[in-house]
Amino acid sequence: AQSVAQPEDQVNVAEGNPLTVKCTYSVSGNPYLFWYVQYPNRGLQFLLKYITGDNLVKGSYGFEAEFNKSQTSFHLKKPSALVSDSALYFCAVRATDSGGYNKLIFGAGTRLAVHP
Amino acid sequence: KAGVTQTPRYLIKTRGQQVTLSCSPISGHRSVSWYQQTPGQGLQFLFEYFSETQRNKGNFPGRFSGRQFSNSRSEMNVSTLELGDSALYLCASSPTGKEGYEQYFGPGTRLTVT
Repeated sequence: AQSVAQPEDQVNVAEGNPLTVKCTYSVSGNPYLFWYVQYPNRGLQFLLKYITGDNLVKGSYGFEAEFNKSQTSFHLKKPSALVSDSALYFCAVRATDSGGYNKLIFGAGTRLAVHP
Repeated sequence: KAGVTQTPRYLIKTRGQQVTLSCSPISGHRSVSWYQQTPGQGLQFLFEYFSETQRNKGNFPGRFSGRQFSNSRSEMNVSTLELGDSALYLCASSPTGKEGYEQYFGPGTRLTVT
């Protein structure tokens, strides 16, 4: 079955420290992976994606993610966290039964709290 | 470019009623997808439209339906509302809907069923 797991409900980080938000996936074939962020009372905002190529993907606002095929992981990282990064983060994978079109399977989300 | 817009932003309905939500995609985007977000089930795919055709459908009952117009605007309809339909309904658009393109989400419509 296709799925995305975000093992941590919440991640707490001090401002200025590096942050990691974990994601593992389970789909057949080559995965198309995405990270989105959601601020209160807002929709989802695209951060970055992995389709093919380099395993380290750089995205918006200083975020990057590392794709690891052997571990089926796509962890989100940032070298230095900001208080304004506090939000809900979602990892998603394109469903393999989508016919190649838009159908995302989302993880449950991880709440990131960055403390001053 | 203007982002994805959704109307209304908030809606309160009574059980048994029906509701229609509207989504205007980013100009030039032809694929529109709908997702339901609830605290219990998280984000779940409802359906996707491209050039007025439904290409994919999630595991939701037939009470949930949608359509897309020739200008790519989309509507979704929920008939015979149930309490469990209370959720944030998110619309997303992308240029073609093919792999490789990220989706851009609107702010959502918060539906409360009483």
